[in-house]
Amino acid sequence: GAGVSQSPRYKVAKRGQDVALRCDPISGHVSLFWYQQALGQGPEFLTYFQNEAQLDKSGLPSDRFFAERPEGSVSTLKIQRTQQEDSAVYLCASSRGLASETQYFGPGTRLLVL
Amino acid sequence: GENVEQHPSTLSVQEGDSAVIKCTYSDSASNYFPWYKQELGKGPQLIIDIRSNVGEKKDQRIAVTLNKTAKHFSLHITETQPEDSAVYFCAASPMFSGGYNKLIFGAGTRLAVHP
Repeated sequence: GAGVSQSPRYKVAKRGQDVALRCDPISGHVSLFWYQQALGQGPEFLTYFQNEAQLDKSGLPSDRFFAERPEGSVSTLKIQRTQQEDSAVYLCASSRGLASETQYFGPGTRLLVL
Repeated sequence: GENVEQHPSTLSVQEGDSAVIKCTYSDSASNYFPWYKQELGKGPQLIIDIRSNVGEKKDQRIAVTLNKTAKHFSLHITETQPEDSAVYFCAASPMFSGGYNKLIFGAGTRLAVHP
């Protein structure tokens, strides 16, 4: 079956531009996570959705970062007024349901802010 | 909050040798410990995981051990092959009250298997 997909795969933005990154989780998966992976580092948690509810946004680095999942399936991570320090790979993961620990990751979106 | 340390950062072995990667965690409430393999340009792929009620788990050439008292867990790969070359990440996670696991990752180990 289809895995987690993300688009675009690569994004180049000028400093100050807004960007939107899309995640299509595995069909039927209740839980959706966003992580940020800096070059040479492990992924770092950004935010968590359970269906359409954003239950944890403790990892979002600033109020320039905003995520939504309005219908409980596709999610969008938006970064406003991008800065060079936002350059990273943004990973989306989904898991089947509550107390289902296995997270399946997408290929990521590589964001470069110039 | 949880903190995960991973060692070594790079590991080079000959094909057929074993590879061991070690991780320590700080939060005794963590109860789920997955290992991910990440190849260049791809997302992390789960290779094995262990829960806190189990001390060891094996899947073909891969095994994971967990020592809850010492708060460390290890990945063992036997009979390594060139296709095992990748970056490996350990992670730890407590179960949060909302019924989800927020993964805290180590910094990764770059494994190179030489023919």
